Amino acid sequence: GAVVSQHPSRVICKSGTSVKIECRSLDFQATTMFWYRQFPKQSLMLMATSNEGSKATYEQGVEKDKFLINHASLTLSTLTVTSAHPEDSSFYICSAWGRVSEAFFGQGTRLTVV
Amino acid sequence: TQLLEQSPQFLSIQEGENLTVYCNSSSVFSSLQWYRQEPGEGPVLLVTVVTGGEVKKLKRLTFQFGDARKDSSLHITAAQPGDTGLYLCAEFTGNQFYFGTGTSLTVIP
Repeated sequence: GAVVSQHPSRVICKSGTSVKIECRSLDFQATTMFWYRQFPKQSLMLMATSNEGSKATYEQGVEKDKFLINHASLTLSTLTVTSAHPEDSSFYICSAWGRVSEAFFGQGTRLTVV
Repeated sequence: TQLLEQSPQFLSIQEGENLTVYCNSSSVFSSLQWYRQEPGEGPVLLVTVVTGGEVKKLKRLTFQFGDARKDSSLHITAAQPGDTGLYLCAEFTGNQFYFGTGTSLTVIP
């Protein structure tokens, strides 16, 4: 099946620094990618929809300037958490849609801001 | 924004018991997917239901889609510890892909 690779799987950073998370579709072209945030034992909360070559569409309440999303190619989308704070610590997951309307998920990134 | 409510939120049962998880929407689903997620991993697709009244079976799991396509259920027969995880319903609306509130299942050996 199609594979989506998300990197890094874990990252620890200091408050005030920025962290970039990459999401790659390895064997298919993904015109649309989704970014989610998840707290323990809770569901995935959609943060933004990323379309190749255009600006991301953010969900209500998600700060665009804090969570920068770039979808520069059909196989790569990045999420940059800028000026990270401890409350940004969470599990972030990307999802890419293939041609058969099935979503493929990355392995997730555990971000810890200290 | 599509609101997908799942119930129960948490469920802890003994091995061998049966259980049902529900997913309800504030509006009609175009189609609905069920996922299972283990801690620290991405969700894994279990099934997609499209037609109102549809029933799909996956081993001990039975998925039903309501006739009006506003609700769905997941029934697990003779639950096993390996069924432990977070169960999520989800809908792709064309521009967004939303998940339900989730049901955290724990099956005790």
